[in-house]
Amino acid sequence: EDKVVQSPLSLVVHEGDTVTLNCSYEVTNFRSLLWYKQEKKAPTFLFMLTSSGIEKKSGRLSSILDKKELFSILNITATQTGDSAVYLCAVIYYTDKLIFGTGTRLQVFP
Amino acid sequence: DAGVTQSPTHLIKTRGQQVTLRCSPISGHKSVSWYQQVLGQGPQFIFQYYEKEERGRGNFPDRFSARQFPNYSSELNVNALLLGDSALYLCASSFSTADLRPSNSEQFFGPGTRLTVL
Repeated sequence: EDKVVQSPLSLVVHEGDTVTLNCSYEVTNFRSLLWYKQEKKAPTFLFMLTSSGIEKKSGRLSSILDKKELFSILNITATQTGDSAVYLCAVIYYTDKLIFGTGTRLQVFP
Repeated sequence: DAGVTQSPTHLIKTRGQQVTLRCSPISGHKSVSWYQQVLGQGPQFIFQYYEKEERGRGNFPDRFSARQFPNYSSELNVNALLLGDSALYLCASSFSTADLRPSNSEQFFGPGTRLTVL
């Protein structure tokens, strides 16, 4: 059965800390892996990863994919309270279908 | 440019009723996907439509149906509502292409419709 597993499920940190969110997958016909941030309703796109070993960066966020070991990590450095959200990992497979993990709930306190 | 829009934003129904949710994709996007997100879970894939044809279907009962119109907007219908259908229903659009190139696969989500079944 195709699945995406995220860990940890929940994380509580203080501002300024660095966090690493994990995503592992077992999906046939893998095409790409995406990270989304969900605060209230609509998930907002962070990264799309298609090739192994190429780090993508956007400000304090970065992500990398390992297609051999079937996982990805999302790093957030110097966390801020505005980073508090649920971070979703999803894999595109077959015909643009997305399979999501359960998400990691990040809470950043001042 | 307008993003993905969905209507209504909130909906309250009773068991056994039927509901129709609507989605308008980003201009130029030809693919629309529907997801159900139950509280505390990640979104679950329901349907995908591309160029008005069903391209994929998730593991949902036949009470769930959808269609895509010539202007690429889409409707999701749910019949005989159950309490367990209470969820946030998300629509996502992507440019997509017939050859399914990854560069065209990024999906943009609408704000969702919060459905409550009493």
